[in-house]
Amino acid sequence: NAGVTQTPKFQVLKTGQSMTLQCAQDMNHNSMYWYRQDPGMGLRLIYYSASEGTTDKGEVPNGYNVSRLNKREFSLRLESAAPSQTSVYFCASSEQGVGKQYFGPGTRLTVT
Amino acid sequence: KNQVEQSPQSLIILEGKNCTLQCNYTVSPFSNLRWYKQDTGRGPVSLTIMTFSENTKSNRRYTATLDADTKQSSLHITASQLSDSASYICVVSAKDSNYQLIWGAGTKLIIKP
Repeated sequence: NAGVTQTPKFQVLKTGQSMTLQCAQDMNHNSMYWYRQDPGMGLRLIYYSASEGTTDKGEVPNGYNVSRLNKREFSLRLESAAPSQTSVYFCASSEQGVGKQYFGPGTRLTVT
Repeated sequence: KNQVEQSPQSLIILEGKNCTLQCNYTVSPFSNLRWYKQDTGRGPVSLTIMTFSENTKSNRRYTATLDADTKQSSLHITASQLSDSASYICVVSAKDSNYQLIWGAGTKLIIKP
């Protein structure tokens, strides 16, 4: 089992460009999450999907959109990137509810 | 406001020594407390999850304690190894939290040979 996979690993964008971060899990988990991690701060929840077909805002959703494409895949889209979105993005999944979460390796995004 | 504070921010110890990391929280109502290990450039990995009724939980050389009355937790690492060098993050879940966890900023632990 690969667990949680994320692509790409690194990305550099110019202000105003758009991109989609991809996430997939092969553990048949119901819930999936997108977090961002900034230096000196705890992880912050951007969006989550409690189950296939549902998505909800987390703590810092502004500037992002998500799609729960199917049970395995949960993508995060930046429509118009801003320097404030420079961060490391982590996708996670859990079997049910706010259970034990399994994290992907992260995407390091720089917006210039 | 729900918060999780960790101390120290960073710690350097010699290989083979023990250490204890601290976590204080002001999350209410409390559901559970987790400790994660995050290696540099990797995603966090769960070490333990403790509910209100659990005082101590061990995972190999890691022992977590929880005092729900004082809202404090600690993570004790015994006989440290070089591979223990990582950030250790305390995370608290509130009841009815709508899938949101409150994450501490982490303690960066460096083990020197």
